[in-house]
Amino acid sequence: AQSVTQPDIHITVSEGASLELRCNYSYGATPYLFWYVQSPGQGLQLLLKYFSGDTLVQGIKGFEAEFKRSQSSFNLRKPSVHWSDAAEYFCAGPGAGSYQLTFGKGTKLSVIP
Amino acid sequence: DAGVIQSPRHEVTEMGQEVTLRCKPISGHDYLFWYRQTMMRGLELLIYFNNNVPIDDSGMPEDRFSAKMPNASFSTLKIQPSEPRDSAVYFCASGPQGGQGAWGYTFGSGTRLTVV
Repeated sequence: AQSVTQPDIHITVSEGASLELRCNYSYGATPYLFWYVQSPGQGLQLLLKYFSGDTLVQGIKGFEAEFKRSQSSFNLRKPSVHWSDAAEYFCAGPGAGSYQLTFGKGTKLSVIP
Repeated sequence: DAGVIQSPRHEVTEMGQEVTLRCKPISGHDYLFWYRQTMMRGLELLIYFNNNVPIDDSGMPEDRFSAKMPNASFSTLKIQPSEPRDSAVYFCASGPQGGQGAWGYTFGSGTRLTVV
């Protein structure tokens, strides 16, 4: 089945350290891919999206993601994490119908001072 | 732009009661989605509308769940009767019509439902 997978349930990083959150996809063709962030008690906010073209995508809040076809991955990165980045991050890709999204299980990010 | 507005933010109800969740999408958006989030199952699409018409309700768990979109600015998700296993956060999201812009839609802040 077409899907996205986030292998890490929880990641802890120190403030100022670099961050990489993993997302793997299983789609036959090049999919549309997305990263969302959910702060506690809040809805999901779109960080960035990939449709085609340049494989390095810039998003909001200093995040970027790189689409790697050879690895079926779309990992999210940030060079220097801030305490306010502590949240849950979701990778998403197309679902079964038009404009439907299927989400990964999420990766919870904790940031220690 | 006020974003997608959901009400109430929190709802606590007794088992067997009817629950109605409300959503106001972003003006001009033609797609509206209802998702449910639980620890066990993550984010699940329940139903979505295009131009107020339900397109796919295959994610609705059972007949106790129903959703309507009487006009472009309002949608409801109703659970009748409610059960403890319906406890979850319910999100509404909306997106513009067509093309790449329709993807990566905007989510509301959610309604946290607790059925006791």
